[in-house]
Amino acid sequence: KAGVTQTPRYLIKTRGQQVTLSCSPISGHRSVSWYQQTPGQGLQFLFEYFSETQRNKGNFPGRFSGRQFSNSRSEMNVSTLELGDSALYLCASSSPQGSDTQYFGPGTRLTVL
Amino acid sequence: GEDVEQSLFLSVREGDSSVINCTYTDSSSTYLYWYKQEPGAGLQLLTYIFSNMDMKQDQRLTVLLNKKDKHLSLRIADTQTGDSAIYFCAEKPGANNLFFGTGTRLTVIP
Repeated sequence: KAGVTQTPRYLIKTRGQQVTLSCSPISGHRSVSWYQQTPGQGLQFLFEYFSETQRNKGNFPGRFSGRQFSNSRSEMNVSTLELGDSALYLCASSSPQGSDTQYFGPGTRLTVL
Repeated sequence: GEDVEQSLFLSVREGDSSVINCTYTDSSSTYLYWYKQEPGAGLQLLTYIFSNMDMKQDQRLTVLLNKKDKHLSLRIADTQTGDSAIYFCAEKPGANNLFFGTGTRLTVIP
């Protein structure tokens, strides 16, 4: 089975712009979670989607949003970018069986100038 | 909120065993996980343990869980230079989101 894929791998944006990141889960996985990783705050949970519905949300401002499509692919959007949004954004997919283990993609490295 | 703690650095000699420790706060966590992150990469799942287990062994990896003390450890036997990476423990208290520790940077000295 192919793993979790994320596109693009790298992005450079300027303050005030918006950005959309994409995640394709492992085939058959219906849950997609997003995390932000920064040197200062570590790994923090953004939100989780399951069957096209946001099921869980972390403590991030409304500028961070996401959605999930019927094929389980997910996108996250950040509007009005700030310098502090520079981070590695990781997507994980899981199957709602057993351990619900989350499998991560390679991440999208976002740099805000 | 959840607070998962790990020591930041660990250095070992190639061929020795490495032990990475973690303490977590939420006793309702059903599963506890260990992930590995190499430079420029995402998180690779190493292993996980169900909360009603004390130990789990998987090839060179041994996970020990002390639920009373909320302490989790990962032992890597015969550590190799390819094991150099950052190791994260994570707990999942209830909903499908993980709370991660700060990560332990393991350096293997040849």
